[in-house]
Amino acid sequence: EADIYQTPRYLVIGTGKKITLECSQTMGHDKMYWYQQDPGMELHLIHYSYGVNSTEKGDLSSESTVSRIRTEHFPLTLESARPSHTSQYLCASSKGGGNTIYFGEGSWLTVV
Amino acid sequence: SQKIEQNSEALNIQEGKTATLTCNYTNYSPAYLQWYRQDPGRGPVFLLLIRENEKEKRKERLKVTFDTTLKQSLFHITASQPADSATYLCALVPTGGFKTIFGAGTRLFVKA
Repeated sequence: EADIYQTPRYLVIGTGKKITLECSQTMGHDKMYWYQQDPGMELHLIHYSYGVNSTEKGDLSSESTVSRIRTEHFPLTLESARPSHTSQYLCASSKGGGNTIYFGEGSWLTVV
Repeated sequence: SQKIEQNSEALNIQEGKTATLTCNYTNYSPAYLQWYRQDPGRGPVFLLLIRENEKEKRKERLKVTFDTTLKQSLFHITASQPADSATYLCALVPTGGFKTIFGAGTRLFVKA
């Protein structure tokens, strides 16, 4: 059982609002990731972190930003949400690069 | 271009039969290949990892093969059960790479 938690699980917000999706893991993993996944489609890496104070953009361009101030915490922020941001956002972590990735349950974001 | 291809059509099989899912990749040299299970609305869960120098890996009713010449991995579920119904994702980590790249997955339905 993976110890990685995301909140909120479901969120409906209006266009232009600022939102933060929270992600925490209790496994002490140094690597953390955010993936975006539309229904029936592949996972796209949008952000990753090697460790505290390290963040990198992933393969899919995203208007979101992330921070990694503590090992266990990797929040994702959208300053001004748009309907195109409607998707599922999955947080994940791993002990090292290339190893098993543990996923959270996901946050479903709908921007109206 | 680099691609991971999984059969986009759902696989429907009868309970008790063996399910076989295919993962093909192009323009990658994977160090590892992984299989994950994803249930609707949930995050993926790791099942098996196979390394480039391994031909076959087993875990209970699951078996994975890896053919680097064909650039293909096969994922088998023997004695399938309705509870095995889910989407199965193939993922690889390129040699010398850090990021895990996911396929879009194949949906499996096992009928009682």
